[in-house]
Amino acid sequence: GQQVMQIPQYQHVQEGEDFTTYCNSSTTLSNIQWYKQRPGGHPVFLIQLVKSGEVKKQKRLTFQFGEAKKNSSLHITATQTTDVGTYFCAGRGSGGSNYKLTFGKGTLLTVNP
Amino acid sequence: GAGVSQSPSNKVTEKGKDVELRCDPISGHTALYWYRQSLGQGLEFLIYFQGNSAPDKSGLPSDRFSAERTGGSVSTLTIQRTQQEDSAVYLCASSLAGLAGGDTQYFGPGTRLTVL
Repeated sequence: GQQVMQIPQYQHVQEGEDFTTYCNSSTTLSNIQWYKQRPGGHPVFLIQLVKSGEVKKQKRLTFQFGEAKKNSSLHITATQTTDVGTYFCAGRGSGGSNYKLTFGKGTLLTVNP
Repeated sequence: GAGVSQSPSNKVTEKGKDVELRCDPISGHTALYWYRQSLGQGLEFLIYFQGNSAPDKSGLPSDRFSAERTGGSVSTLTIQRTQQEDSAVYLCASSLAGLAGGDTQYFGPGTRLTVL
């Protein structure tokens, strides 16, 4: 079945440093979504990417979808303590059960003030 | 407006007991998902409901797990004869249509299940 791998598992940065998490799917995706889960909270939707090579920005966050629609990345510029949390990618397959999101294991980001 | 709600927020039970977890999706959302999240892990898909269609139960880990959705709204996840490895946070999410075109999933706060 479809697998979504996410790296790194953990990342600790100093406030002001940049951060990137990468997501790779074993199969071509129809779209990919990113979620953020604060400590003790539940996942909250950030963005969805649909088109090959798509790049979207939300303030300091930049999201990319690979040309082959099998990988994606989230880059945070100049991290702040409010960025702390686990970032999950979730891919939706292009096959039969394409309503089902397959989540990566997430990247836990901690920021040292 | 109201988001996805789940109850109870915490459940402690003894091994071998049955538990029921409830999810109230956002009004009007036809798609409902259950996930399981173990400590420090990602989200494990359990089951998916879409309108009146037969649910996709492919993620249920064993026949001790079952779920139903009454009237296309509230859903109940039942775990029979709980085991310690069932301890996790059970998250429910709903979305407007659950269509392949992609739509946002709105998560509830989860139920933290601890099996002693």
